[in-house]
Amino acid sequence: ETGVTQTPRHLVMGMTNKKSLKCEQHLGHNAMYWYKQSAKKPLELMFVYSLEERVENNSVPSRFSPECPNSSHLFLHLHTLQPEDSALYLCASSQDGFAEAFFGQGTRLTVV
Amino acid sequence: GESVGLHLPTLSVQEGDNSIINCAYSNSASDYFIWYKQESGKGPQFIIDIRSNMDKRQGQRVTVLLNKTVKHLSLQIAATQPGDSAVYFCAENLNDYKLSFGAGTTVTVRA
Repeated sequence: ETGVTQTPRHLVMGMTNKKSLKCEQHLGHNAMYWYKQSAKKPLELMFVYSLEERVENNSVPSRFSPECPNSSHLFLHLHTLQPEDSALYLCASSQDGFAEAFFGQGTRLTVV
Repeated sequence: GESVGLHLPTLSVQEGDNSIINCAYSNSASDYFIWYKQESGKGPQFIIDIRSNMDKRQGQRVTVLLNKTVKHLSLQIAATQPGDSAVYFCAENLNDYKLSFGAGTTVTVRA
């Protein structure tokens, strides 16, 4: 149990679908992150929220829309995705920014 | 391009031997570094970290070395075990919230 829970673990969606990824952290941290992990590429930071405010948006296409309703929950809303968006999407949390991030198990997303 | 990279994408090591995983970084202003381990089907797991005011830090069976002169980071695993088989990532903290990851080294432990 990592303290960061992601659902669903696997998701297959069509390019016209709308879906959401959910992340919940039970560590009392004040920062949450979305990362994208593609095969043979380094982890790519997508979004960062600190105290429920977005502090980093790493030039992510608008078809990915994050939401952070409170410090324990983070969502990634998906719509009109492309096949190249297929990847493992990882959520993480940390206490402040200058500290190690704790990762969830990830959601394996396949866009068909 | 990425600012953090690993020298070798794969490493095969005999069980019981020591493993050394290397990482080069390019941002001399980075002052915090982390090693992560990622097993198949799981998210990255924190192993050990080091701040730039240190050259060495030890954990349980792991040691991280930082050479700021040549911007090099290494992870040493003592007495490598089958459970150490995984992908290992180094990461540097570019600013308060941004970790930049290397591509990873896949470690395979031979019985």
